[in-house]
Amino acid sequence: EPEVTQTPSHQVTQMGQEVILRCVPISNHLYFYWYRQILGQKVEFLVSFYNNEISEKSEIFDDQFSVERPDGSNFTLKIRSTKLEDSAMYFCASSRSGDPSYEQYFGPGTRLTVT
Amino acid sequence: AQRVTQPEKLLSVFKGAPVELKCNYSYSGSPELFWYVQYSRQRLQLLLRHISRESIKGFTADLNKGETSFHLKKPFAQEEDSAMYYCALTPTGTASKLTFGTGTRLQVTL
Repeated sequence: EPEVTQTPSHQVTQMGQEVILRCVPISNHLYFYWYRQILGQKVEFLVSFYNNEISEKSEIFDDQFSVERPDGSNFTLKIRSTKLEDSAMYFCASSRSGDPSYEQYFGPGTRLTVT
Repeated sequence: AQRVTQPEKLLSVFKGAPVELKCNYSYSGSPELFWYVQYSRQRLQLLLRHISRESIKGFTADLNKGETSFHLKKPFAQEEDSAMYYCALTPTGTASKLTFGTGTRLQVTL
């Protein structure tokens, strides 16, 4: 069964550095999402992406964040200048449609640690 | 704004006992409700959604619009049900960003 994959599984970076988190969505899916979960807190929506454009973003997704689908298979989340409070588990998800009747499939997550 | 509340961080039950994981939501429109589950060292996965009215692994959930609740129930808990359970909602008819609750850890003991 196809799965969403994410790399790396764990990323450690210093404050102020740029990081790129990578995701490979399921191949026939058209909608892509990033969520994050700070330790001990709820899973929070960051951004949704469709047709090479951001569909919706949360207030967390400020100018330090960007997303890209550079080559038709990867879907990346870039944090331009990391802060300590960006430390979290980042989940990528994909779905065939934006309609809620279509399941969002989640990746295993990337744990980002900012020191 | 939408919000999902799961009042219990941890629910511990004996094997064979009934389970009810509580979920309440607030949203001004008509939402779609879901339960997601995360087993130990596994990814978040959909357990069930109210629009399908299905029963998965013996779990059911009924949407009560009057009480704005979507509690997850199972008549007889099994050890393999031990996991983290998240209730989530998305507004109807939108590119569906999910709003999650804080989750409830279900621990089924012998």
